[in-house]
Amino acid sequence: DIQLTQSPSFLSASVGDRVTITCRASQGISSYLAWYQQKPGKAPKLLISAASTLQSGVPSRFSGSGSGTEFTLTISSLQPEDFATYYCQQFNSYPRTFGQGTKLEI
Amino acid sequence: EVQLVESGGGLVQPGGSLRLSCAASGFTFSNYGMTWVRQAPGKGLEWVASIKQDGSEKYYVDSVKGRFTISRDDAENSLHLQMNSLRAEDTAVYYCARDFYGSGDYWGQGTLVTVSS
Repeated sequence: DIQLTQSPSFLSASVGDRVTITCRASQGISSYLAWYQQKPGKAPKLLISAASTLQSGVPSRFSGSGSGTEFTLTISSLQPEDFATYYCQQFNSYPRTFGQGTKLEI
Repeated sequence: EVQLVESGGGLVQPGGSLRLSCAASGFTFSNYGMTWVRQAPGKGLEWVASIKQDGSEKYYVDSVKGRFTISRDDAENSLHLQMNSLRAEDTAVYYCARDFYGSGDYWGQGTLVTVSS
């Protein structure tokens, strides 16, 4: 199974900050990676698919990059509504594993 | 508008069974693969099972193989997860999601399954 390791697991930041979350895969997954945002009590929301494709309606301050084994999610200027938990997920092969999550706190 | 609505969760004793359903609307259900993802209380997301758009291929996480069965009814626009031999560690919110080239682009609100005596 492919393991995904996110870093950091917790991140404290302020409104207006630029933040980067990293997701490392235990083996190459090409660009078969998605990023999700989840707020407490809510379903996950797809932000980015195929490593760098921004979903419709997602603000342009979110961006994704990477391929192979290392990927990043960047938020260029944090807004109050961005404080949430972020997950990466690989869909290169089954089982479609998730990273452990990164909780972004004020 | 795409909508996914899960149902069927509840309290069940260890060893018991439950059948979850996911009612889909707002898109051509038969054109999409579908997935179940769960989240134990206070924990991260765990992919559980997926089914291809034509139902020909099904995939499961190892921890549920032989106990859970994913299925779909395209005539009813519904996805199901039959869960047998339930264990305490199956306690979670279960989400259905539409497959978008491998990622889940639409998710339901989730249904809570609690396995406890």
